[in-house]
Amino acid sequence: EAGVAQSPRYKIIEKRQSVAFWCNPISGHATLYWYQQILGQGPKLLIQFQNNGVVDDSQLPKDRFSAERLKGVDSTLKIQPAKLEDSAVYLCASSSPGGRSEQYFGPGTRLTVT
Amino acid sequence: AQSVTQPDIHITVSEGASLELRCNYSYGATPYLFWYVQSPGQGLQLLLKYFSGDTLVQGIKGFEAEFKRSQSSFNLRKPSVHWSDAAEYFCAVGADSGNTGKLIFGQGTTLQVKP
Repeated sequence: EAGVAQSPRYKIIEKRQSVAFWCNPISGHATLYWYQQILGQGPKLLIQFQNNGVVDDSQLPKDRFSAERLKGVDSTLKIQPAKLEDSAVYLCASSSPGGRSEQYFGPGTRLTVT
Repeated sequence: AQSVTQPDIHITVSEGASLELRCNYSYGATPYLFWYVQSPGQGLQLLLKYFSGDTLVQGIKGFEAEFKRSQSSFNLRKPSVHWSDAAEYFCAVGADSGNTGKLIFGQGTTLQVKP
């Protein structure tokens, strides 16, 4: 079974530029999560989708971050414009529906904003 | 507010020695608790989880954890550490009583294994 795929793996941009990350979840997983992991910290949930609907985006900085999950499969997370403090690893995870389902994580995208 | 604290940022143990990683949580109701491991350049992998029942939980790779409600703790243990266990370990609590799957993570503990 293929795992959660993310691309790109690494990205370096200058502040005020825009960037997009892509995630392909495990086949059949209706729930998809985007986490931000700043160096030295644990992952923080940015947004959670159930199929193509948003369940929780309370910690998403909506003035600069956006995410979509068209057709309830792949998802993209965009930052525009980027700030220095956005430097982090962005993790995508997927799971079957329900709070007790195991979340499977992708390898992450390491973003450096200079 | 719900929170998870991992008091030890960095731990070094010798190969073959026992290991205990500490985790304390703050949560009003019965918590759903998890331990994840993250190797360099990789995503997180679930080691074990506690939802209810037996407070001693067995996981993969020889790890176990014990839920102690009176101490608000969920410490991870392994009787004999292998060099391949060197990684970062995260404790997490399921928010919203586990209804949505939202997780709140601790800051992590980096484990170094000496030969």
